[in-house]
Amino acid sequence: ELKVEQNPLFLSMQEGKNYTIYCNYSTTSDRLYWYRQDPGKSLESLFVLLSNGAVKQEGRLMASLDTKARLSTLHITAAVHDLSATYFCAGVLTGTASKLTFGTGTRLQVTL
Amino acid sequence: GAVVSQHPSWVICKSGTSVKIECRSLDFQATTMFWYRQFPKQSLMLMATSNEGSKATYEQGVEKDKFLINHASLTLSTLTVTSAHPEDSSFYICSATSGGPRYNEQFFGPGTRLTVL
Repeated sequence: ELKVEQNPLFLSMQEGKNYTIYCNYSTTSDRLYWYRQDPGKSLESLFVLLSNGAVKQEGRLMASLDTKARLSTLHITAAVHDLSATYFCAGVLTGTASKLTFGTGTRLQVTL
Repeated sequence: GAVVSQHPSWVICKSGTSVKIECRSLDFQATTMFWYRQFPKQSLMLMATSNEGSKATYEQGVEKDKFLINHASLTLSTLTVTSAHPEDSSFYICSATSGGPRYNEQFFGPGTRLTVL
């Protein structure tokens, strides 16, 4: 069984600051996804990380994957208010095709 | 491309009635569809996996007789909440995968908010 944990669960940060959200998973995962969810909305796909050492960046967000440590990070650079949302990571247990296991989510609040 | 729709986007019903939620892949054929439930301020919980033309596979603890899933075609899956009760009130999200070259990525629908009075 794949278990996915995120920390922190809640993050309040000021605009312009940097921070990192951590995603730990318990066993081998074929790939690791990051999603954004705005209140009352569904999921928006941000990144998919396929292999050890993978790094992807889009705007102020950068995601990385360390399969040996079973750790993925989502780094926020110079946060802006528009990034306020809940962020989920999700893994795929090896051998289960597309079945996703979601982390607990991190609610990010960027204050002015 | 890769758009998934859900209908309705929200529904309010009386306790004891049944509610059907549709999930459609609009521009691709979905070999597999997934149904999730999300309670306020919680993560997504997978309820079941459905493949076209076969019975759905339910996750542990999900009542298959209460949450009926039908995947009649490669573009449509339905979730019927039978004899709904207030504790079934939740945000239901479906996703679909084509099993194509994009590493089986799941494409998520916009969700359906169910409120049972």
